[in-house]
Amino acid sequence: GENVEQHPSTLSVQEGDSAVIKCTYSDSASNYFPWYKQELGKGPQLIIDIRSNVGEKKDQRIAVTLNKTAKHFSLHITETQPEDSAVYFCAASTEGNNRLAFGKGNQVVVIP
Amino acid sequence: NAGVTQTPKFQVLKTGQSMTLQCAQDMNHNSMYWYRQDPGMGLRLIYYSASEGTTDKGEVPNGYNVSRLNKREFSLRLESAAPSQTSVYFCASSQGNNSPLHFGNGTRLTVT
Repeated sequence: GENVEQHPSTLSVQEGDSAVIKCTYSDSASNYFPWYKQELGKGPQLIIDIRSNVGEKKDQRIAVTLNKTAKHFSLHITETQPEDSAVYFCAASTEGNNRLAFGKGNQVVVIP
Repeated sequence: NAGVTQTPKFQVLKTGQSMTLQCAQDMNHNSMYWYRQDPGMGLRLIYYSASEGTTDKGEVPNGYNVSRLNKREFSLRLESAAPSQTSVYFCASSQGNNSPLHFGNGTRLTVT
């Protein structure tokens, strides 16, 4: 089955700087790549997703890039703010598959 | 719009006791899922239901049973709780294949 790995496991950034989290996946048939943000005591919440027919997608300060050849995708957060501190999960799935494979998560800490 | 509602929020069980975790969604989603989250392990799929009337095993189904009661409700049962089942349990729903998951806020279960 699909195997998704996230790097680094913990990331500390100064407020206002950018944060980048990278995920790699193993199944070349995967074509849907969502990112989730989990705040303390809450369930994960979708923040952005990308499908394999595009290479980049942006939503305000958040962007996701996809490199299908190298089988990796990255989350970019610009102008980080304290409220961006959370655990971020990447995931991947294939067409016709109801099951998302999740990475183990990245703890992002924004230092004021 | 409540989204995905899980009950209870917290539970303490003794080894060997049984309990049912309840989940309901009001988004008319076809698919529902149960995950467990443990430190350093990310989100692991226990069971899922692609549509009303169907259920399938995920990565870690041993020790659990599920019931898709109707389109809205998907319950998870522990017949004989074990300390290894101490975890945070999340229910999620989605429209179906390659669609975003919507998570509840979790049930924190401790088995002593």
